[in-house]
Amino acid sequence: EAGVVQSPRYKIIEKKQPVAFWCNPISGHNTLYWYLQNLGQGPELLIRYENEEAVDDSQLPKDRFSAERLKGVDSTLKIQPAELGDSAVYLCASSSHRGRDTGELFFGEGSRLTVL
Amino acid sequence: SQKIEQNSEALNIQEGKTATLTCNYTNYSPAYLQWYRQDPGRGPVFLLLIRENEKEKRKERLKVTFDTTLKQSLFHITASQPADSATYLCALAGGGNKLTFGTGTQLKVEL
Repeated sequence: EAGVVQSPRYKIIEKKQPVAFWCNPISGHNTLYWYLQNLGQGPELLIRYENEEAVDDSQLPKDRFSAERLKGVDSTLKIQPAELGDSAVYLCASSSHRGRDTGELFFGEGSRLTVL
Repeated sequence: SQKIEQNSEALNIQEGKTATLTCNYTNYSPAYLQWYRQDPGRGPVFLLLIRENEKEKRKERLKVTFDTTLKQSLFHITASQPADSATYLCALAGGGNKLTFGTGTQLKVEL
């Protein structure tokens, strides 16, 4: 069974440039998450989707970050314009649970962003 | 404010010994708690889930305890091996079905 696929694995851009990350969750997983992880820190939730609906985007900086989940499958996270402080690893995860019990999260390998 | 605390200092132990990692939390009433393993440059991998009404959970060489009175979870790896070296993250399911992660503890198992 294929795991969560993310691309690109690495991205280096200059500040003020746009960047986009793509995530393909495990087939059949209705819940999709985007997390941000800084060096030496745990993952921090940016947004959670159940199917195509964003059910928790309270931590997403909406002035520069946007996300979408087309047809409840793949998802894209965009930053425009990027700032130096956005340098981090962006993790996508999916799960087959919904509602009260989150259950096990399956993570992708992450997309490491460096903003110069 | 809500807080999840894991030892920020790396834990170094000898091969064959039992490693014990701690996860303390404040201002949470988690329905359950999860532990993940993360290797450098990789995404976290799920290990165990323990619910609020469970005291202990085991899986092979892993054991997790959950004390809602002390607001603490302990994660044990028995007969540790160098391959167990990684960062271990605890995560709590709080209100609104939101999973929040601790900062992780790095474990190094030496020969």
